[in-house]
Amino acid sequence: EDQVTQSPEALRLQEGESSSLNCSYTVSGLRGLFWYRQDPGKGPEFLFTLYSAGEEKEKERLKATLTKKESFLHITAPKPEDSATYLCAVQDHTGGFKTIFGAGTRLFVKA
Amino acid sequence: DSGVTQTPKHLITATGQRVTLRCSPRSGDLSVYWYQQSLDQGLQFLIQYYNGEERAKGNILERFSAQQFPDLHSELNLSSLELGDSALYFCASSAGQYTDTQYFGPGTRLTVL
Repeated sequence: EDQVTQSPEALRLQEGESSSLNCSYTVSGLRGLFWYRQDPGKGPEFLFTLYSAGEEKEKERLKATLTKKESFLHITAPKPEDSATYLCAVQDHTGGFKTIFGAGTRLFVKA
Repeated sequence: DSGVTQTPKHLITATGQRVTLRCSPRSGDLSVYWYQQSLDQGLQFLIQYYNGEERAKGNILERFSAQQFPDLHSELNLSSLELGDSALYFCASSAGQYTDTQYFGPGTRLTVL
């Protein structure tokens, strides 16, 4: 069965303190791995799509990487406005192209 | 603003009732996805439509149904509502049917009393 596990569940950082969020996945056939940011009460906002192991993408203070079993979202010198829940999702090309989301990592950045 | 619109924003109803949630995708997007997000379950994929046809199905209950109309808007129908159906329901859209970026709407918050 396809699974997406994110860790840690919550992460508290000081402003400027870099860290990484983890997304481990088990799928029969990965078509793509997605990272989203979600603010309370709002819809997820797209950040990155990764398709194959070794791929990396960057956007401002965020960098996403992908291996065959996991993905990392690296946050460099975070600011308080980076506080949000970060969701990882995978799409499996077997069994009907379902998109499966992880439970998310709640990030708190203190000034 | 993602360009995806959902109505209504909030819906309060009683157990046993039926409701319809509406979604308009971004201009040009052919795929519409429905998700349910509750505190204990996270974001759960329900169903995907592509250009009017069902493309993928997740853990959608038999009491729930959806359709995508010729103008590409979509409706999610929830019937025989139970307390446990209270959740945020999100619609997302994408250009194609596979690993395209999904753009999420603001959601409809359903409360079943």
